[in-house]
Amino acid sequence: QLQLQESGPRLVKPSETLSLTCSVSGGSISSTDNYWGWIRQPPGKGLEWIGTLYYGETTFYNPSLGGRLTISVDTSKNQMSLKVNSVTAADTAVYYCSTQDLSDSSHDHWGQGTLVTVSS
Amino acid sequence: QSVLTQPPSVSGAPGQRVTISCTGSSIGAGNHVHWYRQLPGSAPKLLIFDNNSRPSGVPGRISGSKSGTSASLAISGLRTEDEADYYCQSYDSSPSGSHVVFGGGTKLTVL
Repeated sequence: QLQLQESGPRLVKPSETLSLTCSVSGGSISSTDNYWGWIRQPPGKGLEWIGTLYYGETTFYNPSLGGRLTISVDTSKNQMSLKVNSVTAADTAVYYCSTQDLSDSSHDHWGQGTLVTVSS
Repeated sequence: QSVLTQPPSVSGAPGQRVTISCTGSSIGAGNHVHWYRQLPGSAPKLLIFDNNSRPSGVPGRISGSKSGTSASLAISGLRTEDEADYYCQSYDSSPSGSHVVFGGGTKLTVL
């Protein structure tokens, strides 16, 4: 069964880069059976789509996040990564990775999420 | 401010039927709507995809519909374990392409 696990530093200083990894088990990050996505949720607030990786190459990012994002894949480690540059307190959130169905892009599998706090 | 509008909260007694609406112009543009349930402290779970389809394991008392610029999630035979936050999701268009949008979420309270 496909399982996703987010990991990375829990505390990041303002203006620095937030880096997270999504480790995949029970499946392959190189799979063409789905897309891969990142979503975040600030404490006490709703869900916000960050971006989607298509077939390990093409990425689409949330335009409201202002070009600070990079999503990439490390096939040797079966992982997907997310980098958010120049973070502020507004980037404090639980970050989730997910798979997205090929036909309708619904987020059908989710990791458990990891809370990242931006603070000095 | 979400592109998709949901009521902040709804409530119902056990056994009753409740509906949660999701409204936005992107829905009227023919985009699919998906629904997620999020229990406290847990990751969201896909509840409805493609407007009205249920993933394996989701009971038939949960259904989705779409008409015009609105979509709805209906839960009948309400149970205490249905108490959760519910989010709709669709797509919006920008110069960079189609991208995912979520509603602001609705908290369902079982009285």
